Amino acid sequence: AQSVTQLDSQVPVFEEAPVELRCNYSSSVSVYLFWYVQYPNQGLQLLLKYLSGSTLVKGINGFEAEFNKSQTSFHLRKPSVHISDTAEYFCAVSGDTDKLIFGTGTRLQVFP
Amino acid sequence: DAGVIQSPRHEVTEMGQEVTLRCKPISGHNSLFWYRQTMMRGLELLIYFNNNVPIDDSGMPEDRFSAKMPNASFSTLKIQPSEPRDSAVYFCASSLDRVSPLHFGNGTRLTVT
Repeated sequence: AQSVTQLDSQVPVFEEAPVELRCNYSSSVSVYLFWYVQYPNQGLQLLLKYLSGSTLVKGINGFEAEFNKSQTSFHLRKPSVHISDTAEYFCAVSGDTDKLIFGTGTRLQVFP
Repeated sequence: DAGVIQSPRHEVTEMGQEVTLRCKPISGHNSLFWYRQTMMRGLELLIYFNNNVPIDDSGMPEDRFSAKMPNASFSTLKIQPSEPRDSAVYFCASSLDRVSPLHFGNGTRLTVT
């Protein structure tokens, strides 16, 4: 079975500062890893995904994430955040089934 | 494509009443998922279907919850009888396959008084 841990429930940051949202996973099989974003009163949208190949994955809105197998991590980063990045961010993992397991989410709050 | 369509957007009902949530997945998607989101428990997978067949319903909280997918373009999640602790946002999502992203609907906000 797979599981996901998002260590930070909230991350406050000032506009134009860099940000990192942490995600660790556990799995007994090879994994697929995803980051989703949720804006208020909406469903989740895919930011980026890691399936195989290059461990550095680039997504939409300037976000990127790095898959680190030895540390079982898939941290999300952005070098300079904008007010519009304020949202809830979810890390998710799937393995040998279609089942996608989500972390508890990290609320990114960007201040002017 | 219009995306995943859920109805209703909001549902307010009294304890003991039956509640039916509806979902129309994206055409051509083979998998459909029902999630529940609350502040306390985050995003929980309730059940998912592949080619209209329920694959894993281990997340369904109890027998009061049931889900059906009579055809590839429609699914329902029913709660009977409803209880205040069922209050949450219920999301439906669909995907083409395991490596494809999930496409979420905008959710149904259920309030049981």
